[in-house]
Amino acid sequence: NAGVMQNPRHLVRRRGQEARLRCSPMKGHSHVYWYRQLPEEGLKFMVYLQKENIIDESGMPKERFSAEFPKEGPSILRIQQVVRGDSAAYFCASSRAADSGNTIYFGEGSWLTVV
Amino acid sequence: SQQGEEDPQALSIQEGENATMNCSYKTSINNLQWYRQNSGRGLVHLILIRSNEREKHSGRLRVTLDTSKKSSSLLITASRAADTASYFCATVGNAGKSTFGDGTTLTVKP
Repeated sequence: NAGVMQNPRHLVRRRGQEARLRCSPMKGHSHVYWYRQLPEEGLKFMVYLQKENIIDESGMPKERFSAEFPKEGPSILRIQQVVRGDSAAYFCASSRAADSGNTIYFGEGSWLTVV
Repeated sequence: SQQGEEDPQALSIQEGENATMNCSYKTSINNLQWYRQNSGRGLVHLILIRSNEREKHSGRLRVTLDTSKKSSSLLITASRAADTASYFCATVGNAGKSTFGDGTTLTVKP
């Protein structure tokens, strides 16, 4: 039973390019969360999605960032016109349901470097 | 306001000693979870403790929760060099949304 799968693990983009990060949740999980981690810091919530729905995007920057979780395929976190400050590790997590008693499982992260 | 603030920020101990990390939070929670993160890797779930529980054990790990003080502690007994990692607490509110602190970096010297 594969865990949460993220790709790419490492991504280098020049300023102004687009970054696309993918996340496949664990089998049987329909809830996906994206977090960002800056160096030496904890994880900061960005967005919570279910299939075809954004439930909570209170942590998403208002511009350049978007997320989706289509009916088929992985969840995508998209960052347009990247800037150096976007360099971070982006973690995806999934859970079986929104019940707060459910454990949330994390992927290995995608490290974005903007040069 | 930041939920799940860990204390200390960094902890260095000798192998065999116990390590205690604390976590404080500000608002009501449904449960609290502890995670471990090795450098450059994802988070590994360690323990979930519900708001109506006071203590929980898992192997060499012991977690306590004091909802009146809005605090939790993680104790690692008989530490090993392999326990070297960052440890995060995460408070879980509605809809499973987790809020993390900045973590405690534990170094266990062989």
